[in-house]
Amino acid sequence: EVQLVQSGAEVKKPGESLKISCKGSGYSFTSYWIGWVRQMPGKGLEWMGIIYPGDSDTRYSPSFQGQVTISADKSISTAYLQWSSLKASDTAMYYCARLSSTSCYNCPLQHWGQGTLVTVSS
Amino acid sequence: DIVMTQSPDSLAVSLGERATINCKSSQSVLYSSNNKNYLAWYQQKPGQPPKLLIYWASTRESGVPDRFSGSGSGTDFTLTISSLQAEDVAVYYCQQYYSTPLIFTFGPGTKVDIK
Repeated sequence: EVQLVQSGAEVKKPGESLKISCKGSGYSFTSYWIGWVRQMPGKGLEWMGIIYPGDSDTRYSPSFQGQVTISADKSISTAYLQWSSLKASDTAMYYCARLSSTSCYNCPLQHWGQGTLVTVSS
Repeated sequence: DIVMTQSPDSLAVSLGERATINCKSSQSVLYSSNNKNYLAWYQQKPGQPPKLLIYWASTRESGVPDRFSGSGSGTDFTLTISSLQAEDVAVYYCQQYYSTPLIFTFGPGTKVDIK
């Protein structure tokens, strides 16, 4: 069974750094692209970016380029989303999701993590 | 970037009645070489992650009830719930996965409730 298990909720102060994780299991982690999606409180889904763990090829939405870093450690089947300096406006639920087909980047998001709630408040 | 719009923003439908949601992309998401529309529909219930319902505009994901169907091509798409059930109360999003820079934008969502 394909599973994406995300790290737990975080409460941080503005200016702090943060790295959240998404651990894949039940499939070949290096063979499928993983995307990250933001959902601000009461709002819709926003595409942040995507990574191919096999070679760490990473693409960002222009809205998030320079604001976050997406990475992966294939030795432990884990993808990451990190911030160097959080803002209150980063408060949101963050989802990772695996695309549907091997090595396919123009494919839908088939398997989703449970989400990580990030709260940034002074 | 491709901009996705949805209509209506919300709708309330009686149990057993049809619900129809529209999605429009700012440019075609039909890839002519394989005649596939790079368009997906997701369902998100409160407190849950989104769930893939439909991909390639009209292919139902495994396990999705056949009351859900997708149609359309190019820039205009529709998600239809043929006979609304109580468990279908959710927000529905369309998403294009056509864009070559891999920026796969979502529509703003449509909230479906019971009338």
